[in-house]
Amino acid sequence: SQKIEQNSEALNIQEGKTATLTCNYTNYSPAYLQWYRQDPGRGPVFLLLIRENEKEKRKERLKVTFDTTLKQSLFHITASQPADSATYLCALAPGSAAGNKLTFGGGTRVLVKP
Amino acid sequence: DTAVSQTPKYLVTQMGNDKSIKCEQNLGHDTMYWYKQDSKKFLKIMFSYNNKELIINETVPNRFSPKSPDKAHLNLHINSLELGDSAVYFCASSRTSGSSYEQYFGPGTRLTVT
Repeated sequence: SQKIEQNSEALNIQEGKTATLTCNYTNYSPAYLQWYRQDPGRGPVFLLLIRENEKEKRKERLKVTFDTTLKQSLFHITASQPADSATYLCALAPGSAAGNKLTFGGGTRVLVKP
Repeated sequence: DTAVSQTPKYLVTQMGNDKSIKCEQNLGHDTMYWYKQDSKKFLKIMFSYNNKELIINETVPNRFSPKSPDKAHLNLHINSLELGDSAVYFCASSRTSGSSYEQYFGPGTRLTVT
């Protein structure tokens, strides 16, 4: 069965450092991979999307890589700030024939300490 | 302006009751979704509608019935509520049913069944 794994342990990091989160998957061939941020008591907020034929995507202090051979995506937050503290979710999506059915990982909580 | 709104935000009810959650989006999107996030924080898709047509229907008890009166609204009706239905329910929308489009989530409805 399809499995998406994110580190369930919280990531504690010092302000200014780079936070790196992993998203590993098995029994899945996603066409797209998306990353979302979720704050307590709120809905997820879209951050970045990367396609299967893309190796890397950047947006401001965020960087995502996608390795379909390793079946892994890495999500980096550079120059982290306390405001970056949240849970980050990866979500995989098949090709358009299956609709926009996102399958989410369990999320990794990030705590940036000043 | 709220992009995706849900009512109510909190819902406490007893086993066996029937309840509804309403969702509205003002983004002009064609596709809407219902997700369930359980106590372990896993976000799982339940249903998806594209232009009022059901396109994703996951393995969900038939006590759950979605209804889309128009493409800006997607309501969720739950019959004979059970303890295991306690969770946070999120509504979301996207431009189309294609996988390349990000989803916009509502604030969630926390359902507690006693």
